[in-house]
Amino acid sequence: EEQLVESGGGLVQPGGSLRLSCEASGFTFTIYWMTWVRQTPEKGLEWVANIKQDGSEKIYVDSVKGRFTISRDNARNSVDLQMDSLRAEDTGVYYCARRGATGNWVGRWGQGTLVTVSS
Amino acid sequence: DIQMTQSPSSVSASVGDRVTITCRASQGITNRVAWYQQKPGRAPKLLIYGASSLQGGVPSRFSGRGSGTDFTLTISNLQPEDFATYFCQQANSLPFTFGPGTKVDIK
Repeated sequence: EEQLVESGGGLVQPGGSLRLSCEASGFTFTIYWMTWVRQTPEKGLEWVANIKQDGSEKIYVDSVKGRFTISRDNARNSVDLQMDSLRAEDTGVYYCARRGATGNWVGRWGQGTLVTVSS
Repeated sequence: DIQMTQSPSSVSASVGDRVTITCRASQGITNRVAWYQQKPGRAPKLLIYGASSLQGGVPSRFSGRGSGTDFTLTISNLQPEDFATYFCQQANSLPFTFGPGTKVDIK
């Protein structure tokens, strides 16, 4: 069974850091772009960061550029999102996601992990 | 960025009804649209990709069509498990953006 399992969410103060991790199983991890998508009260669903199969290309939405870093470890079938300088507007559910084999949609979602940025 | 709008924002329907949701892109995106279903407390689930291709395992009562800027998702013969929120997403150019969602609830 194809699965994506996130971990690492929680409560953090504004300006703080958090690292989200996602472990993939049940499919060939190395042939897919991987993505983090978040769902916030203000903006709804938002495509946050993408990483190419070999990690050579990383793309971020403007609102997180310079603050978030996506990485992957193909030996461990995992993808991480390092989030620094967190803001209240980063609060939401973060989903690890696998891009489609034939296009830029999400073919598989994790269950999501909640990030709350508050003092 | 390409903006995606959806209408209506919510619709009340009965089991057996036919429901159509519209999604409009702020610029042409050929057929690069996906549709997702989300139930409370759950992750979204891919229903349709490429505007009209049904994802494996999705019932055939779901269908999508459109090209350019205007797209529709139709649910024929609405079933109890279809009451949920539906989102469109443009897959044409970065950043890939989602519509605000359409909630389908029970009349």
